[in-house]
Amino acid sequence: DAGITQSPRHKVTETGTPVTLRCHQTENHRYMYWYRQDPGHGLRLIHYSYGVKDTDKGEVSDGYSVSRSKTEDFLLTLESATSSQTSVYFCAISESRMANTGELFFGEGSRLTVL
Amino acid sequence: GDSVTQMEGPVTLSEEACLTINCTYTATGYPSLFWYVQYPGEGLQLLLKATKADDKGSNKGFEATYRKETTSFHLEKGSVQVSDSAVYFCALSNRDDKIIFGKGTRLHILP
Repeated sequence: DAGITQSPRHKVTETGTPVTLRCHQTENHRYMYWYRQDPGHGLRLIHYSYGVKDTDKGEVSDGYSVSRSKTEDFLLTLESATSSQTSVYFCAISESRMANTGELFFGEGSRLTVL
Repeated sequence: GDSVTQMEGPVTLSEEACLTINCTYTATGYPSLFWYVQYPGEGLQLLLKATKADDKGSNKGFEATYRKETTSFHLEKGSVQVSDSAVYFCALSNRDDKIIFGKGTRLHILP
């Protein structure tokens, strides 16, 4: 199994509070991704990173920011959580570009509930 | 933009039945196509892939053929098991660093 650790695995918070989810990898893979999974929507890309300090937006990036100061860590921050951000968040990593048939390896997910 | 459409579930079958989960895509150029599987309480994992037209991906008894003429990548298995119960995602990647997923199809196999 790929070495991907997400923390926290479960979190309940209140509307308006900041939340940071952490993804830590031990594979030294260049690419890291944050997805959210919601019923009826499948997986949607929030942000991704193609190297240290190199990040880009996905299809549902509003209300989220990311940072990658080290190869192994990719942080997802909700500056002011809203109920619409209640979801299961997955981190994924890839050794090569997806266009080059790279394979995504997923973490176990972080379930966030915003009350 | 690029997109993936897969049949809605849930799909419920009896053990040893034949399975087909339909997937079609819209993309420019020549995308790579994937099927991922998510078992309960876990993250997704790659099941199989195909990188060019007419390629057949296969793994664990599952197969899918990249059909460019019909822009399809249907997932098939001849005899399903209870352990195949999961959510299956069709996906594509095309010329960049991202992968686009379908909405997923939940499969229930009854003993």
